[in-house]
Amino acid sequence: ETGVTQSPTHLIKTRGQQVTLRCSSQSGHNTVSWYQQALGQGPQFIFQYYREEENGRGNFPPRFSGLQFPNYSSELNVNALELDDSALYLCASSLPQSGVLGYTFGSGTRLTVV
Amino acid sequence: QKEVEQDPGPLSVPEGAIVSLNCTYSNSAFQYFMWYRQYSRKGPELLMYTYSSGNKEDGRFTAQVDKSSKYISLFIRDSQPSDSATYLCAMSEGDLQGGKLIFGQGTELSVKP
Repeated sequence: ETGVTQSPTHLIKTRGQQVTLRCSSQSGHNTVSWYQQALGQGPQFIFQYYREEENGRGNFPPRFSGLQFPNYSSELNVNALELDDSALYLCASSLPQSGVLGYTFGSGTRLTVV
Repeated sequence: QKEVEQDPGPLSVPEGAIVSLNCTYSNSAFQYFMWYRQYSRKGPELLMYTYSSGNKEDGRFTAQVDKSSKYISLFIRDSQPSDSATYLCAMSEGDLQGGKLIFGQGTELSVKP
């Protein structure tokens, strides 16, 4: 299977709830990065995982956490949801040797917090 | 001040027009300069990139980087309706930062037939 797959595509949650978003990397890609894209804004870096370890984090609070599994798939967890967490969440996979030029983005999960 | 500033538009042009998209930045450590295209309900896809300064051409697209002015541009010649999308500039210091991309706000482009 090629490409990056994210699930679900859309999600509505209530403020204060918790959410888990999932990402399947492109075949062979062992690095996964997560970005948050608010409406009308560019994506913002949340964190990156390489070989199941966090490998860099952006300016997001600890209630944003992640996991990477041995098959390189990944999860983004957000606790205590706030209205401002409403956004498109993008997952991108890559190989370390291709660096920032090798990102393949998924189509994202649209999260709405009400 | 944001690290990367991009005029959000929206920008509407007739088919065949030349389009100029621009970004400014403040971080002199940026080495990689990229342009992504994002269609509605899709993730960004890499259109062009430049390492350090200079120009790069690919068909109807030309990317320019002026590090002395901290200014990058993307030119689209003979624009087509299929070019209608949001264009995002993105920059990075490189792999030492874990491959983090800093994006501009995005410019929404509409090319009218």
